[in-house]
Amino acid sequence: QQPVQSPQAVILREGEDAVINCSSSKALYSVHWYRQKHGEAPVFLMILLKGGEQKGHEKISASFNEKKQQSSLYLTASQLSYSGTYFCGTEGSGAGSYQLTFGKGTKLSVIP
Amino acid sequence: EAGVAQSPRYKIIEKRQSVAFWCNPISGHATLYWYQQILGQGPKLLIQFQNNGVVDDSQLPKDRFSAERLKGVDSTLKIQPAKLEDSAVYLCASNLRVNEQFFGPGTRLTVL
Repeated sequence: QQPVQSPQAVILREGEDAVINCSSSKALYSVHWYRQKHGEAPVFLMILLKGGEQKGHEKISASFNEKKQQSSLYLTASQLSYSGTYFCGTEGSGAGSYQLTFGKGTKLSVIP
Repeated sequence: EAGVAQSPRYKIIEKRQSVAFWCNPISGHATLYWYQQILGQGPKLLIQFQNNGVVDDSQLPKDRFSAERLKGVDSTLKIQPAKLEDSAVYLCASNLRVNEQFFGPGTRLTVL
């Protein structure tokens, strides 16, 4: 089942913070975050594994609530380069499938 | 390290015609994925290969879509015959054992 992302879109001024949420109705093993700029391939940002292991990206952090099957991506002191569409991809609790189901995305626009 | 290569980058065809896409994953990556990304949506998995074997093709419309991965390296995705609703970006991704997926630039297909 496709995870639900919120908000669908957000506009920020440089330096402001943003939170993007991802929620699933099924048990998860991991949550992945990607950013896609217009006309480009998705680029990996972050992975959160069940049990708390986290791999990160500078100035971007994330949390994973295993009980609620929710993840949030935190972007602090946003820069113009943060603009793009952010996707969460969820991996079901059958660890090792390496198979992701992506949400519909959150479009982030950072303006001067 | 070279990234995931895809060709062609753009393709315009008329409905009922056939089309093929090619993907060359990152050297040594055992797992290869084909995704369909419709405008405004997240990537949707079509098929997953592990070396040259199919792991999951449950979302591949097998009446018109086919894919193969010969010798566990390059892969081709074919659509025959194409429908208007097949207009999308077709993304290829690969990974080794860790969960991060590396995406290629995609092929934008327009069916007229």
